[in-house]
Amino acid sequence: EAGVAQSPRYKIIEKRQSVAFWCNPISGHATLYWYQQILGQGPKLLIQFQNNGVVDDSQLPKDRFSAERLKGVDSTLKIQPAKLEDSAVYLCASSRTGRVGELFFGEGSRLTVL
Amino acid sequence: EDQVTQSPEALRLQEGESSSLNCSYTVSGLRGLFWYRQDPGKGPEFLFTLYSAGEEKEKERLKATLTKKESFLHITAPKPEDSATYLCAVQDYGGSQGNLIFGKGTKLSVKP
Repeated sequence: EAGVAQSPRYKIIEKRQSVAFWCNPISGHATLYWYQQILGQGPKLLIQFQNNGVVDDSQLPKDRFSAERLKGVDSTLKIQPAKLEDSAVYLCASSRTGRVGELFFGEGSRLTVL
Repeated sequence: EDQVTQSPEALRLQEGESSSLNCSYTVSGLRGLFWYRQDPGKGPEFLFTLYSAGEEKEKERLKATLTKKESFLHITAPKPEDSATYLCAVQDYGGSQGNLIFGKGTKLSVKP
């Protein structure tokens, strides 16, 4: 089966600019996640969707980050305006309902904010 | 506050030299402990789920074990292709399904 697809793989922007990342999960996976991984750290959950509803966005900086999952499939994560500390890899993951902790990750989108 | 600490930060082994990676955790109620492998430039790849103390899981040269305070990932006779960063994560009963608390990982290098 096809894995989790993400784009773009790399993005370089100036601070205060905006950026958007796209994710297509594994077919049939109802749950979709966005994680942030700063260099040398483990991934940190930003937002979790179940179908097209938000389950957990408690760690999403809502003043600058937004995410949507229209029609319960693809998702986009947007940052506006970007700050230097947003430089990180943004990982999208999906999972089957009920499979606790067994996430399938995409290759990630690496963001550099100058 | 839930915490996950992995040690060592980096480990260099010769091919065939067995060793163990450690993951110590603090949670109010452990729902599950998970091991992932991450290759450079890639997303983490799921390896194991452990739910209760005493549980063990094996896959090829890897064996994961769990106690009430820590988990070990034992690597037997490693090969260069086992080189990667190994991440440990826990899920608290109070958290959502996807809110895994990850450690910083152990970077394993296996030299031929």
